[in-house]
Amino acid sequence: ILNVEQSPQSLHVQEGDSTNFTCSFPSSNFYALHWYRWETAKSPEALFVMTLNGDEKKKGRISATLNTKEGYSYLYIKGSQPEDSATYLCAFSGYTGNQFYFGTGTSLTVIP
Amino acid sequence: DSGVTQTPKHLITATGQRVTLRCSPRSGDLSVYWYQQSLDQGLQFLIQYYNGEERAKGNILERFSAQQFPDLHSELNLSSLELGDSALYFCASSAREFDSYNSPLHFGNGTRLTVT
Repeated sequence: ILNVEQSPQSLHVQEGDSTNFTCSFPSSNFYALHWYRWETAKSPEALFVMTLNGDEKKKGRISATLNTKEGYSYLYIKGSQPEDSATYLCAFSGYTGNQFYFGTGTSLTVIP
Repeated sequence: DSGVTQTPKHLITATGQRVTLRCSPRSGDLSVYWYQQSLDQGLQFLIQYYNGEERAKGNILERFSAQQFPDLHSELNLSSLELGDSALYFCASSAREFDSYNSPLHFGNGTRLTVT
């Protein structure tokens, strides 16, 4: 079983603050890294699919970067809003296994 | 709406029983994944099917089995249920092409299983 770690486990920020969190994954046999947003009582929803070292993706105020050589990805949220409150999951897929390994997520709470 | 349908939404059953969870993937998606989320745990991969064939297996117990039918819907069968099997079971689908790992997963709303 591969280890995908996310930090911090939880985060409370004030509305308007910018924040970021980390996903660490094995740096060998990398194939893809996904980010998902999971709101309470809903199902996870895809944010980004990243496949190339140095990839940067952006969707509105949320962006992500990828470093496959050192095995990490950052998710950034600029000017956090209460509606950004959710758990953010990353999932790693490598060539050696036909599956996605999920981290345990970062729970973000944005305080109005 | 992800387009992935899971039924039932909730299931309460007793230890030793057998249940079947059903998943209809998004239209055109050929891959179906099953995940288990227990209390305070992340999403644990159980099994993946692609176009009717098992493609990958995770930490799926021998008491659990799954299949994908010709119409691409999938069923997860859980037997000899134990209290520890209580969890949220998610189905996800992806990709219209063979190479699905760089396509996002689309999740259903999950089935909440409670074993008493």
